[in-house]
Amino acid sequence: SQTIHQWPATLVQPVGSPLSLECTVEGTSNPNLYWYRQAAGRGLQLLFYSVGIGQISSEVPQNLSASRPQDRQFILSSKKLLLSDSGFYLCAWMNRGDIQETQYFGPGTRLLVL
Amino acid sequence: KQEVTQIPAALSVPEGENLVLNCSFTDSAIYNLQWFRQDPGKGLTSLLLIQSSQREQTSGRLNASLDKSSGRSTLYIAASQPGDSATYLCAVNINAGKSTFGDGTTLTVKP
Repeated sequence: SQTIHQWPATLVQPVGSPLSLECTVEGTSNPNLYWYRQAAGRGLQLLFYSVGIGQISSEVPQNLSASRPQDRQFILSSKKLLLSDSGFYLCAWMNRGDIQETQYFGPGTRLLVL
Repeated sequence: KQEVTQIPAALSVPEGENLVLNCSFTDSAIYNLQWFRQDPGKGLTSLLLIQSSQREQTSGRLNASLDKSSGRSTLYIAASQPGDSATYLCAVNINAGKSTFGDGTTLTVKP
């Protein structure tokens, strides 16, 4: 069965510090991968998606970047965090070619920038 | 630009009541629509997915309908239980999993 991992679960970082959030998927190959951000009491905003190694599409201009160094690894990064980067970050995957196109979500990382 | 609205933002009902959550979207050119459940501080769990060619999907006490032409979907929960308390999110999928989410409806079912 497929599983998706995110770490860390919680992170408190000062403004201006770097960031690296990691997401890995097990039990599948060649998935589409997604990074979402959720503000308190709001829905999810798609930040990045990837259809393959090294292929990253950005949905919104922002202070963050994403990379996919391996097929089942998706990393969200920042060189200098802003207060507005605080939020709940969710990684998701989907089987490419899956007619149902169901997305499966990880447990999330809560980021607080002080 | 696709916009998704969920009404109400919050709902509190006594246990055993049947209830309906609403989702509306502005662009009917969708691939599918998905309902998720989110418990506080947790990730999302998929409940039901309706393809654009379908009218409804059922899973246990849950029934989701889709009227693509009018840009509406409803999630019907029968015989609500305290364990149903959570935030319910509606997501419209354009393609390749690029989804637009509503802000959710937070449901509280009181014992």
